[in-house]
Amino acid sequence: DIQMTQSPSTLSASVGDRVTITCRASQSISTWLAWYQQKPGRAPKLLIYKVSNLESGVPSRFSGTGSGTEFTLTISSLQPDDFATYYCQQYHSSWTFGQGTKVEIK
Amino acid sequence: QVQLVESGGGVVQPGRSLRLSCAASGFSFRTSAMYWVRQAPGKGLEWVAVMSYDGSSQYYADTVRGRFTISRDNSKSTLFLQMNTLTTEDTAVYYCARDLIVGGITFPREWGQGTLVTISS
Repeated sequence: DIQMTQSPSTLSASVGDRVTITCRASQSISTWLAWYQQKPGRAPKLLIYKVSNLESGVPSRFSGTGSGTEFTLTISSLQPDDFATYYCQQYHSSWTFGQGTKVEIK
Repeated sequence: QVQLVESGGGVVQPGRSLRLSCAASGFSFRTSAMYWVRQAPGKGLEWVAVMSYDGSSQYYADTVRGRFTISRDNSKSTLFLQMNTLTTEDTAVYYCARDLIVGGITFPREWGQGTLVTISS
């Protein structure tokens, strides 16, 4: 099974900060990676698929890069609505999520 | 707009069974693969099962294979999850999700609000 590891687990940041979350796969997943945002008590929301493709309606301050085993999600200028937990997910072989990164207010 | 409404959750004793439903609308259910994903309280997301658009293929996580069965009724735009021999480890919010296919590969796109399943004696 492919394991996904995110870092950091928690990130404290301020509005306007540039934020980067890393996701590492235990083996190559090519570019079959998605990112989701989840707010407390809500369902996850797809942000990015195939590493860097923004889902419709997702602000352009979100971006993704990477290939193989290492990937990043960047928020260029953190907004109040962005405080949430972010999950990466591989869909190269079955479907596996990272453990999540909580972005909290500094 | 896309709507996915899960139901059927509740409190059940270990070893018992439960059947979840997911009513879909706002998209072509009969051409969409469908997923179940769960989230234990305070924990991360875990993929549970997926079924192809026509019901011909289904795949399960190791943790539920042999106990859970995914099915669908395309005439009623409804997805099901039959859960048997439940344990406390199955306590979670269960989400259904519809797929997005990119490059021939499918993954969850839009999710319902979830239904809580609690296994407790």
